[in-house]
Amino acid sequence: SYELTQPPSVAVSPGQTASITCSGDKLADKYACWYQQKPGQSPVLIIYQDNKRPSGIPERFSGSNSGNTATLTISGTQAMDEADYYCQAWDTSTVVFGGGTRVTVL
Amino acid sequence: QVQLQESGPGLVKPSETLSLTCTVSGGSISSYYWSWIRQPAGKGLELIGRIYSSGSTDYNPSLKSRVTMSIDTSKNQFSLNLTSVTAADTAVYYCAKLRGAVDAFDVWGQGTMVSVSS
Repeated sequence: SYELTQPPSVAVSPGQTASITCSGDKLADKYACWYQQKPGQSPVLIIYQDNKRPSGIPERFSGSNSGNTATLTISGTQAMDEADYYCQAWDTSTVVFGGGTRVTVL
Repeated sequence: QVQLQESGPGLVKPSETLSLTCTVSGGSISSYYWSWIRQPAGKGLELIGRIYSSGSTDYNPSLKSRVTMSIDTSKNQFSLNLTSVTAADTAVYYCAKLRGAVDAFDVWGQGTMVSVSS
């Protein structure tokens, strides 16, 4: 079965750039999307179709997808960005989620 | 703005059936795909399945033998039945809307905690 692999954790200083990777076989052949989930809350879509931002999502969130890796980049990270981030893609008719990355803003 | 609200029992006994309903407000349930996703405490997200407004379904292969999803367009609701539950089915259950057939989940419900225990 298809798998997406994310690092368990990423630490970043306020104002710096955080990069979260999501790896899967030939992932660039699929669309990747990203969700942010804060404790006790539902996931929120922040990137879809590799690099598109839904309305209301700050410009500091951006995405890319090439080869076997999709990347979520948070530029100028803020304390409010501390959360779990999940990547997601479709494999045939089923969804695959990455295991999630905890972003800590130091 | 479409909003989703899950409803159903918060406690289910082992071997019984977990039944949840998602009510869609602020928009029509027609012409979209709708899903159930669950998340055990402290763990990641798992798709249970998706249903189109026509009633066609796709289920997670690992749960397929126990899952049934249905949709009632007249009530703007869709539902989940998960049979023969065990403690491993204890999780927060979310309903969610898909942007497209193989796209992202752009609207999520608040989630409902379901515990499986005698």
